Amino acid sequence: SQQGEEDPQALSIQEGENATMNCSYKTSINNLQWYRQNSGRGLVHLILIRSNEREKHSGRLRVTLDTSKKSSSLLITASRAADTASYFCATGSNYQLIWGAGTKLIIKP
Amino acid sequence: DTAVSQTPKYLVTQMGNDKSIKCEQNLGHDTMYWYKQDSKKFLKIMFSYNNKELIINETVPNRFSPKSPDKAHLNLHINSLELGDSAVYFCASSQDLYSFGGGQGETQYFGPGTRLLVL
Repeated sequence: SQQGEEDPQALSIQEGENATMNCSYKTSINNLQWYRQNSGRGLVHLILIRSNEREKHSGRLRVTLDTSKKSSSLLITASRAADTASYFCATGSNYQLIWGAGTKLIIKP
Repeated sequence: DTAVSQTPKYLVTQMGNDKSIKCEQNLGHDTMYWYKQDSKKFLKIMFSYNNKELIINETVPNRFSPKSPDKAHLNLHINSLELGDSAVYFCASSQDLYSFGGGQGETQYFGPGTRLLVL
């Protein structure tokens, strides 16, 4: 079953702007992870946030987690053309990660 | 120095054939996975192995059979291929099985994918 659901499904912005993607999930979690997938490639881990954390930063990435609302957001600041990719959130349940369908992000030069 | 590798990268075959996809990781991880990604990019777990032991076997037709000869390898054999099997198959590994510990060991590392097209 689908646990994480990303929103929006697609996002197109100008280079230099900030991009925000959201993820909602259904069950209790211990951590939530964000991954990036470039076209034709495998997924690459971006950031992991634990359930007792509210915000985490990594370079131009900022992730927030609201366990009361069962939601997370990924903010990419000062976007670059190389950020064009699909972004997935994944949450854990029963010894596996469950994935949403992703947000497709397009950065226009 | 590829962390997780899969072969072949592309696989085009006829319906009814049997094929195998190989996966190897050189990260020293204990857990390996097979995922199927459909045309809508939805990623679905098929199998996971921890220390060569099958942990997860999702609702996958028994035409799909994983084999883990050692911790570093997890191969996928598919019998009697059907049109609906066309997808991208990803192998992944992690240090730990997702066990609610919440730690960085549960980060998964993915291979480049095998694009299977059944004609």
